[in-house]
Amino acid sequence: GAVVSQHPSRVICKSGTSVKIECRSLDFQATTMFWYRQFPKKSLMLMATSNEGSKATYEQGVEKDKFLINHASLTLSTLTVTSAHPEDSSFYICSARAGGPRTEAFFGQGTRLTVV
Amino acid sequence: GQQLNQSPQSMFIQEGEDVSMNCTSSSIFNTWLWYKQDPGEGPVLLIALYKAGELTSNGRLTAQFGITRKDSFLNISASIPSDVGIYFCAVNTNTGNQFYFGTGTSLTVIP
Repeated sequence: GAVVSQHPSRVICKSGTSVKIECRSLDFQATTMFWYRQFPKKSLMLMATSNEGSKATYEQGVEKDKFLINHASLTLSTLTVTSAHPEDSSFYICSARAGGPRTEAFFGQGTRLTVV
Repeated sequence: GQQLNQSPQSMFIQEGEDVSMNCTSSSIFNTWLWYKQDPGEGPVLLIALYKAGELTSNGRLTAQFGITRKDSFLNISASIPSDVGIYFCAVNTNTGNQFYFGTGTSLTVIP
């Protein structure tokens, strides 16, 4: 399958700082990227969907000013957690899809964010 | 987001046994998918289903897309220790713009 690379895999930051997570499709062009948040032993919660060159669509309850998503190119999307607080600590996962609804979405390996 | 109810929540089985888990929704979806997630990793796609009633196999795994388009099941035959992990069902909304995940089934295989 196609490769989606997420970076960094782990990050520890101080409360009040911002953290950027990158999601890259290495061998295909991702027209759509998805960002998820996962708490321990819980399911993946969709945060937002982004299409290249347009603004991300956020799920209800997800603060767009808190979680900034930029899908500037067909191979890169970034999630920036602004003014991070301990409650933002979580496992963040991206996925990317090359084509329409019937095409497979491939997942990155995830980023473990710890805010201290 | 959509609510996908997955059961059972967890399973402890002996190596060699068959496993069955299912996923239900209150809404109709045109695409059902099954993923496996290992600890600290992203999910990996196991099987994708695109047509109501479709039965698809991938090695020891078999999944079916329910006729009502509101449910799906996944079977694993002759389980082995490397089957351990969390299994998630997922749906792709009809517009294709969102992927929603089920609540997950944690599988433990006892050698």
